[in-house]
Amino acid sequence: QKEVEQNSGPLSVPEGAIASLNCTYSDRVSQSFFWYRQYSGKSPELIMSIYSNGDKEDGRFTAQLNKASQYVSLLIRDSQPSDSATYLCAVNFGGSYIPTFGRGTSLIVHP
Amino acid sequence: KAGVTQTPRYLIKTRGQQVTLSCSPISGHRSVSWYQQTPGQGLQFLFEYFSETQRNKGNFPGRFSGRQFSNSRSEMNVSTLELGDSALYLCASSLEGGTSYGYTFGSGTRLTVV
Repeated sequence: QKEVEQNSGPLSVPEGAIASLNCTYSDRVSQSFFWYRQYSGKSPELIMSIYSNGDKEDGRFTAQLNKASQYVSLLIRDSQPSDSATYLCAVNFGGSYIPTFGRGTSLIVHP
Repeated sequence: KAGVTQTPRYLIKTRGQQVTLSCSPISGHRSVSWYQQTPGQGLQFLFEYFSETQRNKGNFPGRFSGRQFSNSRSEMNVSTLELGDSALYLCASSLEGGTSYGYTFGSGTRLTVV
């Protein structure tokens, strides 16, 4: 069974802090990793993708991938109240066109 | 460029009825995937269509079906609706499937079965 695990939260951080969101997955043979943001009542929006070990930065967002430990994380620097949303981790397990989604972590950034 | 268009946005149906949802992907995208999202189960994969062929299927009963047309537009049908089918149905558009570039989701169809 291919699984993607996320802490449901909520994760509460003050404005300006670094928010750290984590995701673990069950199969070492995984190739593509994605983070989506979903605001309440809206559909998911792709914010980051990462394919190789290490860090990938895009603005205030950094995705970190460690395939040996089977985890991927998302760091949000200088968190803003507008970052308050549910963050979904998605993993393409080896050979599959279809990503498996975690259930998401709710992030609350308070002023 | 235009995004992913799902219609209708909201639907209220009675148990036992059937429903058809529509999705127009981003121009040039050949893969359309459908997901069901509920608070308890998260995002559950229904099926994927690529070039008019169902390429992948999730673990949903046969009441859930779909198709894709030559212009890549896709429809999803649910027959004999049950109360548990109440959910947000999301269409996801991608070039080749969700492997390399991720998905662009439509706004979703909120289905309520009463």
